[in-house]
Amino acid sequence: GAVVSQHPSWVICKSGTSVKIECRSLDFQATTMFWYRQFPKQSLMLMATSNEGSKATYEQGVEKDKFLINHASLTLSTLTVTSAHPEDSSFYICSAGGREGGYTFGSGTRLTVV
Amino acid sequence: KNQVEQSPQSLIILEGKNCTLQCNYTVSPFSNLRWYKQDTGRGPVSLTIMTFSENTKSNGRYTATLDADTKQSSLHITASQLSDSASYICVVTAYRAGSYQLTFGKGTKLSVIP
Repeated sequence: GAVVSQHPSWVICKSGTSVKIECRSLDFQATTMFWYRQFPKQSLMLMATSNEGSKATYEQGVEKDKFLINHASLTLSTLTVTSAHPEDSSFYICSAGGREGGYTFGSGTRLTVV
Repeated sequence: KNQVEQSPQSLIILEGKNCTLQCNYTVSPFSNLRWYKQDTGRGPVSLTIMTFSENTKSNGRYTATLDADTKQSSLHITASQLSDSASYICVVTAYRAGSYQLTFGKGTKLSVIP
């Protein structure tokens, strides 16, 4: 079945630094990639949607200059949290979609900014 | 506005008992409905996916039903196990203008106790 690899699974960084999270579709071509964040005991919140080769579409309230999304190939998308602050600490999850409309989630990245 | 409502918000059941989770949606145009299981600190894992023409889909002890006329779905868990303790998320996909849009329910937190 479709497999999505998300890396790293957890990261601790200092306030003011940047963190990059990778999401790879291992056995299918991901034409669309979704990035979510999830606070404790909350539902997944969509941050942005990206289609291969085009700029990401951000949800209202999500700063595109702070959360940089790159979807340069059909198998790789990255989310970079720039100048991270403690309030950015959260669980970030990617979801990759193939042309048939199915979606597979990555295992998530726990970001802690200290 | 596309919405997905799940009930109950949380549920506690004894090990070995059955339970049913509900999902009502107002997503259009409907493409498919998925039930996911999300363990704490992990990405969601797909349990079932149903399209418009499917009424029932089983995956082991998990059985999902779909009534496209009333826009309701249910997830029935048989002979619950401690490992079933997780959040169960209903996700409805709409297909519009060449792209897929996902709408998430807030999930039902299931706790199975000995």
